[in-house]
Amino acid sequence: GQNIDQPTEMTATEGAIVQINCTYQTSGFNGLFWYQQHAGEAPTFLSYNVLDGLEEKGRFSSFLSRSKGYSYLLLKELQMKDSASYLCAVRGKLIFGQGTELSVKP
Amino acid sequence: GAVVSQHPSWVICKSGTSVKIECRSLDFQATTMFWYRQFPKQSLMLMATSNEGSKATYEQGVEKDKFLINHASLTLSTLTVTSAHPEDSSFYICSAAGQTAYEQYFGPGTRLTVT
Repeated sequence: GQNIDQPTEMTATEGAIVQINCTYQTSGFNGLFWYQQHAGEAPTFLSYNVLDGLEEKGRFSSFLSRSKGYSYLLLKELQMKDSASYLCAVRGKLIFGQGTELSVKP
Repeated sequence: GAVVSQHPSWVICKSGTSVKIECRSLDFQATTMFWYRQFPKQSLMLMATSNEGSKATYEQGVEKDKFLINHASLTLSTLTVTSAHPEDSSFYICSAAGQTAYEQYFGPGTRLTVT
């Protein structure tokens, strides 16, 4: 089976850096996604990691360690608009973690 | 980029009636589409995988006779919630798989309210 864990909620300050962790257990790993979802909207794609290491894309970076079943999403220079739920998802079929609700305070 | 649409965006129906939700890939062909359900404050739960021209594969615990999925063409999949009950009220989201491993495009979602 598959199990994905991530913190339920996090709070950070505007301009700061926040790291959202995700651990997973899966029988058939074929990549890990991070999505951003604002309330009432569909998820939007942020990143995809299939190999170990760090992928950087602007203010967002994503890291993967397959041997540890671990990933994190790093958000730099936080803006108020970054307040959203961040979903970690593991591919075979796309199975989502419960999501991390990030609140950015001024 | 690839666009996936859903119709309707929201629907209110009475208990016992059936509701059909359409998912369309507008500018690409999608052999595989996925249907998710999301309750408030919860993550997306995969309901079923829909493959064009074949029967859908349902996740454990999802009633295939209640949630009918049809993927009749490469651009259209439909989810019909039969004999809807208030507990079926949820946000239903579809996604369509693209050509490469990381491509999965989400529709805007359909909010279903059963009264």
